[in-house]
Formats: sequence, C-alpha cells, structure tokens
Amino acid sequence: QKEVEQDPGPLSVPEGAIVSLNCTYSNSAFQYFMWYRQYSRKGPELLMYTYSSGNKEDGRFTAQVDKSSKYISLFIRDSQPSDSATYLCAMCQGAQKLVFGQGTRLTINP
Amino acid sequence: DGGITQSPKYLFRKEGQNVTLSCEQNLNHDAMYWYRQDPGQGLRLIYYSQIVNDFQKGDIAEGYSVSREKKESFPLTVTSAQKNPTAFYLCASSINVDQNEQFFGPGTRLTVL
Repeated sequence: QKEVEQDPGPLSVPEGAIVSLNCTYSNSAFQYFMWYRQYSRKGPELLMYTYSSGNKEDGRFTAQVDKSSKYISLFIRDSQPSDSATYLCAMCQGAQKLVFGQGTRLTINP
Repeated sequence: DGGITQSPKYLFRKEGQNVTLSCEQNLNHDAMYWYRQDPGQGLRLIYYSQIVNDFQKGDIAEGYSVSREKKESFPLTVTSAQKNPTAFYLCASSINVDQNEQFFGPGTRLTVL
C-alpha cells in the first residue's frame, strides 16, 4: 500500500463547477500538507500549504485536512479553463522528506 | 528574477552514455533536491543536499550521482548504470531542510535513444 493515495483521474468538469480533489494517507505522523499545481511539461508550483487539521482558504482555493480520517482535500470554486492541470498532494512529518501522491489530471471545459 | 533554472529543457542520450542535468537557484536556499517524475507515479526523490559539500541519497539513488560545490548549484549526473533513465527530472529547493515548502524548477525531459 502506498503511503499517499491519490486518484489519478482524469477528471473533467464544466467551467464554473466546484472541483474536489482528494488524497488519503496512511502515516498518522504527517503534519504538513501541500497542494501543487503542475501544467503540462512544467515544474509543480506550490498552491496551498497547511499545518495539522483544519481549513485554509486562498481566493478560489480551499485546502482541508482531516487528520482523524487521514484525508485531505482541495476545493476549487468557480473553476476556470486555466485551472486545467495536474494537481499533486504532498505531505511530510516535520523535517522529513515530502511524500507525493500520483497527481490528479483535471480538465475544465469551457 | 528569483527562481530555479534547469537546463536543458530537453535532452537526448544514447544508451551507455552519462549525462549531466543542470540546476541553479538564486533564492539563497540551503537545501536542494532532485526528483524523478514518471507517468502515474508522482515524484520520487533521487538525492538531496542540506548544505554545500553535503548530500544524501533519496529513495531511488542507484544509477545517479550529484555534487554540491556551490550553494547555488546542484547538478545531477545520470550514469549508464541507471537502467531506465527516460523520465522528467525536477530540481527543487527550500530555505533549509527543516522548512518543507519546496519550490520547483521547470524540469528537464531526458530521453534515452
């Protein structure tokens, strides 16, 4: 079993929809949780960074962490075609190395 | 502009040849990392360096080598011992190894012919 599981998709939704992207993990010691966005043939860019449980909002993006269920989510409101990309979750335990999910490929259709 | 640069963007290599991928950063970050990305497998850590003249193996170091002679530079050599080198290679950096927000370069696509 992988430490971090992420549905690879692909996920295709119409413009304006609310998108929910999810990861589950097995290591209860993970404390730091990140979401990266990666456009095709580009490097990942850090979108959201959260510590421990709870929600964090930044514009149209909301990151949610539920440590009791070992489950994290990224919500995108009012999705735009420019949001079409692969979204990677990543997490770690303090100064330990990051563990990445496989990435979910998302397409927003105009 | 502050950031991480990788060169070249595309690289072709014949089997049996060593090749070196460049990674430079001007963010004044202490820690640097090399990852490999394959379709459907996420990112896997090859090597990382916490400070100059120091580096540690990641999860898939076999067939790779690195050096860290300058803070700004962390080149990766893919040797002929790497059995399946065709992949997308990503370099990243963070302020130090305790600060786990990592920032990535644009990547190098290596194809072995």
